[in-house]
Amino acid sequence: SQQGEEDPQALSIQEGENATMNCSYKTSINNLQWYRQNSGRGLVHLILIRSNEREKHSGRLRVTLDTSKKSSSLLITASRAADTASYFCATVPYGNKLVFGAGTILRVKS
Amino acid sequence: ETGVTQTPRHLVMGMTNKKSLKCEQHLGHNAMYWYKQSAKKPLELMFVYSLEERVENNSVPSRFSPECPNSSHLFLHLHTLQPEDSALYLCASSQEGQGGVNEQFFGPGTRLTVL
Repeated sequence: SQQGEEDPQALSIQEGENATMNCSYKTSINNLQWYRQNSGRGLVHLILIRSNEREKHSGRLRVTLDTSKKSSSLLITASRAADTASYFCATVPYGNKLVFGAGTILRVKS
Repeated sequence: ETGVTQTPRHLVMGMTNKKSLKCEQHLGHNAMYWYKQSAKKPLELMFVYSLEERVENNSVPSRFSPECPNSSHLFLHLHTLQPEDSALYLCASSQEGQGGVNEQFFGPGTRLTVL
């Protein structure tokens, strides 16, 4: 069964708005990673947050991790049309490999 | 460009054909992966190679046969596939150490259609 589950499944916003995507998981993890995938292409790593970290920033991206709730969120601020893509969280259970969720499809309308 | 290349980008094959997918990484990483991405399904990990040894095989049917001749190259040999094997096949690499699983770098994928 998949480890990470993203919410919502799809999100449509206007350019300039913020986009928030959530990820919940089931078992303890070493770290959690977020990836972006443009249509039919390979995945691009966005950010990695370790289990002892609570928040991380990278440009317009902000990721939070709440290990007590087994959840993470990805916030994209001031969204652009180029942010249109699928976003995946991937968890790393201890001693194991990356396990991907089903993803959130983000559409940013200009 | 992520430093991981895959060929071919598109492949159409019949169920009796034999073909191979190729992946090459130019990042000096020590681990390589094959994933299968089907429509409306999470990414499925198929095989993992670490230091050229296969360390994981997620119950993949024997009609898929991986090969890792060196740390920079990874192949997926395909034979007698089924239409349900049609999917995007992604290769990835990473540098693994004692600190846990690190970020993976993905190739652009091979879109496979089995007729």
